[in-house]
Amino acid sequence: DAGITQSPRHKVTETGTPVTLRCHQTENHRYMYWYRQDPGHGLRLIHYSYGVKDTDKGEVSDGYSVSRSKTEDFLLTLESATSSQTSVYFCAISESRQGEYGYTFGSGTRLTVV
Amino acid sequence: RKEVEQDPGPFNVPEGATVAFNCTYSNSASQSFFWYRQDCRKEPKLLMSVYSSGNEDGRFTAQLNRASQYISLLIRDSKLSDSATYLCVVLNDYKLSFGAGTTVTVRA
Repeated sequence: DAGITQSPRHKVTETGTPVTLRCHQTENHRYMYWYRQDPGHGLRLIHYSYGVKDTDKGEVSDGYSVSRSKTEDFLLTLESATSSQTSVYFCAISESRQGEYGYTFGSGTRLTVV
Repeated sequence: RKEVEQDPGPFNVPEGATVAFNCTYSNSASQSFFWYRQDCRKEPKLLMSVYSSGNEDGRFTAQLNRASQYISLLIRDSKLSDSATYLCVVLNDYKLSFGAGTTVTVRA
């Protein structure tokens, strides 16, 4: 079922360091998304992409940047990690903009900023 | 105000029971509606879409009330394997917004 993989699965990093999370898909889907999940908040959209080099901000984009140089890879970078960015990060892909077939999520990256 | 609000539960029910819960959404222009399921420490997975006329998928029934802006999910004949967190999801401006989830625990 794994047409989408995230790496690393777990990471502990220090405050102030840059961190890059990778999302890789083999489905050739155009739409890719980065969410973070925190207790009591549900999943919140960080950034999304509608195609190569076509990205835009979500509701919680401050402190994050993304890049998509190839269809299959969507990178999320924390420029200077803060403790408030400790979270579980999920990447998702979608066949269509409406998401009517459902988003397929990666297994998540558990990031701890100390 | 959150775009999607859910009762976090938990709903603790015995096997074979029926359990139902709702969520409300704030944007009257929301385009589509879904229920996702998330098991502990796992990724969310699509359970079912929610249509205006209501729809069933086996033991699961979803309803949409656009006038009151709420969505419901009913699970009949609960199984132990139904224990999970159910996420109410709404499509706004071609992006999915997630509720924080309702936790259901089915006990033997």
